[in-house]
Amino acid sequence: NAGVMQNPRHLVRRRGQEARLRCSPMKGHSHVYWYRQLPEEGLKFMVYLQKENIIDESGMPKERFSAEFPKEGPSILRIQQVVRGDSAAYFCASLLDYNTGELFFGEGSRLTVL
Amino acid sequence: AQKITQTQPGMFVQEKEAVTLDCTYDTSDPSYGLFWYKQPSSGEMIFLIYQGSYDQQNATEGRYSLNFQKARKSANLVISASQLGDSAMYFCAMREGQGGGFKTIFGAGTRLFVKA
Repeated sequence: NAGVMQNPRHLVRRRGQEARLRCSPMKGHSHVYWYRQLPEEGLKFMVYLQKENIIDESGMPKERFSAEFPKEGPSILRIQQVVRGDSAAYFCASLLDYNTGELFFGEGSRLTVL
Repeated sequence: AQKITQTQPGMFVQEKEAVTLDCTYDTSDPSYGLFWYKQPSSGEMIFLIYQGSYDQQNATEGRYSLNFQKARKSANLVISASQLGDSAMYFCAMREGQGGGFKTIFGAGTRLFVKA
């Protein structure tokens, strides 16, 4: 009964490169959330997705960031042309039912931009 | 507008004593859920306790209890008999219903230090 799986756990990119972060939700969960956490700060909501749909992307920067959750395969958070300010921990969480129940979190992907 | 407020950046507690971590929230949605998570230095997010807006009784899970004051819009976490392993960041979170798009938002967190 695997939990939420995120990979890579650590990713180093140079400025201008692309970062792709993957998230496989818990089995049977069709709701996925992405959060960003800067050091010593809380989790900032980025995007909420269901299978093949973006439900709420109000927390995601308008440029360079995109997210998807295809019918098959993991959810992907893509950051194009990374800058130093993108360095953070990116957490994915999944949910069985948005009416009740807690979010189940992955261990996070830590992006470092050189 | 800040929807989840944790006013205590850091808290100290003596081992074996109880501690209360404050959380206030703001929503006009009648249906919402309140959560507390723990984040130890290793970085993972650990679910502690949940309270639904329609729940009549305060939630309890072992040494954790949630002091839910609906009229005051507060959802404080009480940890009884603190242990050294309780030293961590603690986040309060809220998920609104349809009015809030079902997203879960987090407060800034409180860092708890348990002293031996």
